Amino acid sequence: DSGVTQTPKHLITATGQRVTLRCSPRSGDLSVYWYQQSLDQGLQFLIQYYNGEERAKGNILERFSAQQFPDLHSELNLSSLELGDSALYFCASSVGLNKETQYFGPGTRLLVL
Amino acid sequence: GNSVTQMEGPVTLSEEAFLTINCTYTATGYPSLFWYVQYPGEGLQLLLKATKADDKGSNKGFEATYRKETTSFHLEKGSVQVSDSAVYFCALIGTNTGNQFYFGTGTSLTVIP
Repeated sequence: DSGVTQTPKHLITATGQRVTLRCSPRSGDLSVYWYQQSLDQGLQFLIQYYNGEERAKGNILERFSAQQFPDLHSELNLSSLELGDSALYFCASSVGLNKETQYFGPGTRLLVL
Repeated sequence: GNSVTQMEGPVTLSEEAFLTINCTYTATGYPSLFWYVQYPGEGLQLLLKATKADDKGSNKGFEATYRKETTSFHLEKGSVQVSDSAVYFCALIGTNTGNQFYFGTGTSLTVIP
């Protein structure tokens, strides 16, 4: 158990809908990262937050957004969902910013029908 | 830019066989290198890491040596077990790129009794 929790574990929704994925980092970790894992794209970095502020952006679509709250939990919002958004979404956390080990949550499996 | 190239899978080995999974990287400066493992239905777990040239990371019988001259970080294990069946990801954190991970595509390993 990495100490990172994600909810829900599974999510089934329809095209055009909006969903919110939630992540709680390990106790004491200030950085949160979101990744998308799909069969065709592999593991892709989406976005990073550190102590409430956005720090880095990767291959995140404009339909996707995230935020980190004062209690350090984070939410990833996916809107206008398309079939191709079906994937496993992982959250990871680390203490700080400098070449540190990231600890991954169990993931949320999203299926868009 | 930063990138990681892993050997294509899937890899199938008999129990007690020797394992090598090749990983090479491209990065500026002095990246930190990681191996993560993903067991079926689970998130990624840190297997081992190395933060500077000639460092050897080791854990659970797995080893990898950070070779700057060949830009490689190959994963090895002398005698695999059925329980090692998983997907293995090589990753790097570059210099001056915050704490953003760059992952390889993953190598699926199946160990048969």
